[in-house]
Amino acid sequence: DVKVTQSSRYLVKRTGEKVFLECVQDMDHENMFWYRQDPGLGLRLIYFSYDVKMKEKGDIPEGYSVSREKKERFSLILESASTNQTSMYLCASSPPGSGGRAQYFGPGTRLLVL
Amino acid sequence: DAKTTQPPSMDCAEGRAANLPCNHSTISGNEYVYWYRQIHSQGPQYIIHGLKNNETNEMASLIITEDRKSSTLILPHATLRDTAVYYCIVRAHYGGSQGNLIFGKGTKLSVKP
Repeated sequence: DVKVTQSSRYLVKRTGEKVFLECVQDMDHENMFWYRQDPGLGLRLIYFSYDVKMKEKGDIPEGYSVSREKKERFSLILESASTNQTSMYLCASSPPGSGGRAQYFGPGTRLLVL
Repeated sequence: DAKTTQPPSMDCAEGRAANLPCNHSTISGNEYVYWYRQIHSQGPQYIIHGLKNNETNEMASLIITEDRKSSTLILPHATLRDTAVYYCIVRAHYGGSQGNLIFGKGTKLSVKP
């Protein structure tokens, strides 16, 4: 079974802090994604990566950056956390040949920024 | 991308088959039908996808009509753990912003004992 793990299930941070969210997948997938999910807004893509050291902006990249130094690990960084970044953050990966559509999600990190 | 229409909610008795419909009348030839589900407070879970042939895996079956304008996800023996919101998504298999899965409102399936 594909396993996607995220470093924390729940996180509380203060405004202005730098926040790191880590995601690791164990299936050698090329593609990895970071989303946020908010009530009424559904899933919104922040960034994705289709290879090591490669990254592409999604729909809402502002206030975020990412890092992909190793194939299995994709990190989301909030440079200076703000209250409007309180959300559920979901990481996903997808195998080659699926066009990035068959995505396997981690359990999510619920971030609260005070 | 083609728009999908799903009923907002459905009930199913435990042990019975759950048939979840999805309309996608504007689907184009290169678009696949994907199904995901999300159990409360968890990340979405990929279930199955197909282009025009019916598909089956260990989780579910996907029946796509011949004109491809609608599909049905079948959970053959629903359990209480299948209670979730089920999302039908139509996207091309390639294209820009590869990962941009757009989840609509989905169908809230409640499996009852």
